[in-house]
Amino acid sequence: DAKTTQPTSMDCAEGRAANLPCNHSTISGNEYVYWYRQIHSQGPQYIIHGLKNNETNEMASLIITEDRKSSTLILPHATLRDTAVYYCIVRDPNDYKLSFGAGTTVTVRA
Amino acid sequence: GAVVSQHPSRVICKSGTSVKIECRSLDFQATTMFWYRQFPKQSLMLMATSNEGSKATYEQGVEKDKFLINHASLTLSTLTVTSAHPEDSSFYICSVTGGRSYEQYFGPGTRLTVT
Repeated sequence: DAKTTQPTSMDCAEGRAANLPCNHSTISGNEYVYWYRQIHSQGPQYIIHGLKNNETNEMASLIITEDRKSSTLILPHATLRDTAVYYCIVRDPNDYKLSFGAGTTVTVRA
Repeated sequence: GAVVSQHPSRVICKSGTSVKIECRSLDFQATTMFWYRQFPKQSLMLMATSNEGSKATYEQGVEKDKFLINHASLTLSTLTVTSAHPEDSSFYICSVTGGRSYEQYFGPGTRLTVT
């Protein structure tokens, strides 16, 4: 069973904020939400993770709803180099494994 | 994050031969390493988990005698594809984890083509 649901694809304008949604309605109380991205023909890159509070780092912001059933990854100023497949993953903190779904293919256009 | 390298980045081999792929954690003591496989236009599929000094744990459907994994040190794991066939052609990616954080850091991947 898929633990997360993401749109298949989305286009973003360069320089604008990109908001990537993710549904995880069956998330357990101790499971974290992780985001990775994979640029074509490269290994995945860690972006950010969170439990219940909103998080921000140099790459992105993560907004998690109060009921934790969904989240949004925000790329504040999308660039062409942000074109990639973005994966939202729910993970038990006691389990190192990551289960990758299909992700969202994000295309940033000039 | 951790810096992870893989060697080679691309390899072409003939059917029936074996090929070894190295995964190195350059600045991080990786207690656990993972090997993934990714077919074109598909997502990553976990093949196996290896802990330093112990036998790897393979995911269901992955043949342990075909995909030999050795995790001899905290900085090196190898994946050997034995008796390779064209259907083994894929993008193989390793990742490392360990230390205080639970983030996985991925290598750049190895493109294997079996002719």
